[in-house]
Amino acid sequence: GENVEQHPSTLSVQEGDSAVIKCTYSDSASNYFPWYKQELGKRPQLIIDIRSNVGEKKDQRIAVTLNKTAKHFSLHITETQPEDSAVYFCAARGGDSSYKLIFGSGTRLLVRP
Amino acid sequence: NAGVTQTPKFQVLKTGQSMTLQCAQDMNHEYMSWYRQDPGMGLRLIHYSVGAGITDQGEVPNGYNVSRSTTEDFPLRLLSAAPSQTSVYFCASSRRADRVETQYFGPGTRLLVL
Repeated sequence: GENVEQHPSTLSVQEGDSAVIKCTYSDSASNYFPWYKQELGKRPQLIIDIRSNVGEKKDQRIAVTLNKTAKHFSLHITETQPEDSAVYFCAARGGDSSYKLIFGSGTRLLVRP
Repeated sequence: NAGVTQTPKFQVLKTGQSMTLQCAQDMNHEYMSWYRQDPGMGLRLIHYSVGAGITDQGEVPNGYNVSRSTTEDFPLRLLSAAPSQTSVYFCASSRRADRVETQYFGPGTRLLVL
């Protein structure tokens, strides 16, 4: 089955700097890669997603890149702000016959004012 | 729409007790799923359902049962609670099962098994 690895587990950046979180997946048939943000005590919320037929997607300060050959995808946050501090999870959905969305172990991002 | 709702918000059980975690959605979503979240381990899929009457196992199904008698409800049953089941449980749903769609999470149930 699908396995998703996420790095780093913690990331501390200065306000205004960029943050990059990386994930790798094992199932070459995976076709959907969302990113979720979870604030303390809250539910995970989708911030951006990308499908396997797209290499990059941007939404204001957030971007996701996908390298299908290498089976990895990354989240990029530019001009970080203190409110970006949270835990971020990547996930991957297996091939067409799989209904499972498998999550990485999470990255705790701290943006220092 | 209320979205995805879960009850209770918090529960304390003794080892060996049984209970049902409730999950409901009012968005007519086909796909529903249960995850558990433990510190440092992300969200792990327990069971999922692609429609009423259809359920299947996820990554960590042992110790849990589910059923999907209606489109709206997807309860998770713990038959004999164990301390290892202490966790935060999230229910999630998405509109379609056969296509990738945004998955929406409920507020979670925090379970403590003594």
